[in-house]
Amino acid sequence: DSGVTQTPKHLITATGQRVTLRCSPRSGDLSVYWYQQSLDQGLQFLIQYYNGEERAKGNILERFSAQQFPDLHSELNLSSLELGDSALYFCASSVAGVSTEAFFGQGTRLTVV
Amino acid sequence: AQKVTQAQTEISVVEKEDVTLDCVYETRDTTYYLFWYKQPPSGELVFLIRRNSFDEQNEISGRYSWNFQKSTSSFNFTITASQVVDSAVYFCALRPSTGNQFYFGTGTSLTVIP
Repeated sequence: DSGVTQTPKHLITATGQRVTLRCSPRSGDLSVYWYQQSLDQGLQFLIQYYNGEERAKGNILERFSAQQFPDLHSELNLSSLELGDSALYFCASSVAGVSTEAFFGQGTRLTVV
Repeated sequence: AQKVTQAQTEISVVEKEDVTLDCVYETRDTTYYLFWYKQPPSGELVFLIRRNSFDEQNEISGRYSWNFQKSTSSFNFTITASQVVDSAVYFCALRPSTGNQFYFGTGTSLTVIP
């Protein structure tokens, strides 16, 4: 158990809908990362937050947004969903500093039908 | 540019064989960090090891060992006496000191046949 909690584990929704994925980082970790894993794209970095502020942005679509709350949990919002958004979405957390490893949650499997 | 290449897409070995997973990276940063993660069939990503660019000592942990060679920009992972439980996808990742994100390779799927 990495200590990072993601909910829900599975999500099935229709095209055009909006969903929210939730992540609770490990206790004491200030950084949260979101990654998307699909068969054809591998692990794609979406966005990073540090102590409530956005730190880095990767290949995140405009239809997607995220935030980190004062209690350090984070949410990833996906809207106007398309079939191609079906993927495994991972949240990871780490303590401060670039030298540290990130610990990943079990992921949310999103299926858009 | 930051890049991690895992040229081996899939590897199959028979139980008890040794297997080496290759990882080659590209970065212009002089300080960076390298990682290996394991993704078993259950799907979660499990952290295995971190290596700093200024520390080229190889590391051994049980049946796992890692060979970091800065001269060839490689960070290879060897499993000795493989077991069925080692079957998973293994990812190599790079994190430069000047950036925030982790750059992952495309992964190597290892199947250990009993």
